[in-house]
Amino acid sequence: GEDVEQSLFLSVREGDSSVINCTYTDSSSTYLYWYKQEPGAGLQLLTYIFSNMDMKQDQRLTVLLNKKDKHLSLRIADTQTGDSAIYFCAERNTGGFKTIFGAGTRLFVKA
Amino acid sequence: SAVISQKPSRDICQRGTSLTIQCQVDSQVTMMFWYRQQPGQSLTLIATANQGSEATYESGFVIDKFPISRPNLTFSTLTVSNMSPEDSSIYLCSVADRDGNQPQHFGDGTRLSIL
Repeated sequence: GEDVEQSLFLSVREGDSSVINCTYTDSSSTYLYWYKQEPGAGLQLLTYIFSNMDMKQDQRLTVLLNKKDKHLSLRIADTQTGDSAIYFCAERNTGGFKTIFGAGTRLFVKA
Repeated sequence: SAVISQKPSRDICQRGTSLTIQCQVDSQVTMMFWYRQQPGQSLTLIATANQGSEATYESGFVIDKFPISRPNLTFSTLTVSNMSPEDSSIYLCSVADRDGNQPQHFGDGTRLSIL
């Protein structure tokens, strides 16, 4: 079945880059998403990438997709304390309406 | 993207009681979903709310425990019935369009604690 896996924790110093990794199993995945959840809030869509793309950049965020290895990463440049949150990787396959979420990676940013 | 409002934002309830959570969207959307996020966990899909018909429940969730209504394309409710401490969670409303080209968006959630 479909599965999305992420490492559970990441700790970085303020100003460094953060790289959050995700692997997925569904080879027919068409859309891959990154959501951010701050304490006490819902999920905020950060960015997403189509499976026919290798990379997408949006300001401090860079998404890299390796389709062969089914590996997705989110790089946050110049990480700030306000980036401390849980980051969810998610996939949605062609023709499907159901989005599959990973367990979430807790990013801690040390000042 | 659609603006999604959930009410209440949080509540503390007694065991054995029921609570209805409302989800209002500022535009018509095809798909509405209800998720549960238990403390420290990821999201689990409870059901897809279907307009004008019974919701489609995921394995492990039943209508008697989580009745759902969706009277139109902008509004849905989720009721958590006969609550126990194990129902303490965040409940999230989410919306998407059927064409699959747009991602799901979420409300801020309802934080529910059962005493």
